[in-house]
Amino acid sequence: AQKITQTQPGMFVQEKEAVTLDCTYDTSDQSYGLFWYKQPSSGEMIFLIYQGSYDEQNATEGRYSLNFQKARKSANLVISASQLGDSAMYFCAMRDKPSTGGGNKLTFGTGTQLKVEL
Amino acid sequence: DVKVTQSSRYLVKRTGEKVFLECVQDMDHENMFWYRQDPGLGLRLIYFSYDVKMKEKGDIPEGYSVSREKKERFSLILESASTNQTSMYLCASREGGSNYEQYFGPGTRLTVT
Repeated sequence: AQKITQTQPGMFVQEKEAVTLDCTYDTSDQSYGLFWYKQPSSGEMIFLIYQGSYDEQNATEGRYSLNFQKARKSANLVISASQLGDSAMYFCAMRDKPSTGGGNKLTFGTGTQLKVEL
Repeated sequence: DVKVTQSSRYLVKRTGEKVFLECVQDMDHENMFWYRQDPGLGLRLIYFSYDVKMKEKGDIPEGYSVSREKKERFSLILESASTNQTSMYLCASREGGSNYEQYFGPGTRLTVT
């Protein structure tokens, strides 16, 4: 069974500083992928970044980067130059192998609530 | 832009009622998903569908059923609503193939009294 662990229920960061949100995972699959989603107070889930297990380089998308350490089974999200609009809940998720039907299931962590302060 | 819509943002139902939650996507995606989100538990997969009339159970299917008669629409059914089904319900869709990103709807906050 797959498992995602986010050990930080809440984090604070000063505006313009960088912040790292932790995520560790457990899987017996060789092929898998890791996601980070952002959920503002409005409730929508916003896709931020994706890393495949065979990708050699860490994924980056603008101010977001994924620090992928395969041997340690960690996939931490780094947000550089934090902004007030980054205040939100952040979820780490992992996809499994395609099922018989071809759909990928996502297993989510419990989330980290990030608050950016002036 | 991909758009996933859900029929209601807020819904209040009584215990024992049959409840339908509707989800529609406009990008011809093959795969659709229903999750529920509870504080401290993250999102948990209830059911998903990889084609019309095809479905698979997720991690917490008990008390729920689904229907997918058309590609763009995926319905979640609570046959007899109970108070422990009070939750936020999120629908998502995904293309087939190697594009793994799931696109989410705005959510339906269901309260069962």
